[in-house]
Amino acid sequence: AQTVTQSQPEMSVQEAETVTLSCTYDTSESDYYLFWYKQPPSRQMILVIRQEAYKQQNATENRFSVNFQKAAKSFSLKISDSQLGDAAMYFCAYRRGANAGKSTFGDGTTLTVKP
Amino acid sequence: KAGVTQTPRYLIKTRGQQVTLSCSPISGHRSVSWYQQTPGQGLQFLFEYFSETQRNKGNFPGRFSGRQFSNSRSEMNVSTLELGDSALYLCASSFKGAGETQYFGPGTRLLVL
Repeated sequence: AQTVTQSQPEMSVQEAETVTLSCTYDTSESDYYLFWYKQPPSRQMILVIRQEAYKQQNATENRFSVNFQKAAKSFSLKISDSQLGDAAMYFCAYRRGANAGKSTFGDGTTLTVKP
Repeated sequence: KAGVTQTPRYLIKTRGQQVTLSCSPISGHRSVSWYQQTPGQGLQFLFEYFSETQRNKGNFPGRFSGRQFSNSRSEMNVSTLELGDSALYLCASSFKGAGETQYFGPGTRLLVL
């Protein structure tokens, strides 16, 4: 079974600084997708960034970028120029290509942004 | 486009009762997945429906069931509620699943007393 591990239950960052959230996963599949989701307190889960395993290039979305190390099965999220609105629980998720709507989530990392 | 909607948003039930939760996906989306979120177990996949058929199923007891209608709206039902069923139930939709982004609803918070 696929597993997703987020080893940092909590992280904090100073406003305008950079922070990296870690995620590792275990799979024997070659066709899969990785995601980072953000869940602000009492608010809806939203997608931050998405990576296809077959793409070597790391995905970026404005201030958010990933470091995808396929051989090491590592998928970290870097948030640059952190803003107060980035404070949330961040989840790393894995989805096998053939498993359509089934995602496996890590336990989450709570990010605090200090003004 | 309107986002994923879930009703009701909050629910209080007692042990032994049953409950039905509803999810309306984004217009045009045919895949609907359900997840249970608890502080202890995190986010756990319940099941996924696509074109009215259950396509994937997680490791939950048979008390948890679901269905999808021809308009892609989905319901999940939990019978004989237990205290441990207290959770935030999230549904997520995508056009057809696979590697597509899943868009989540706000969730239904269920409290079982």
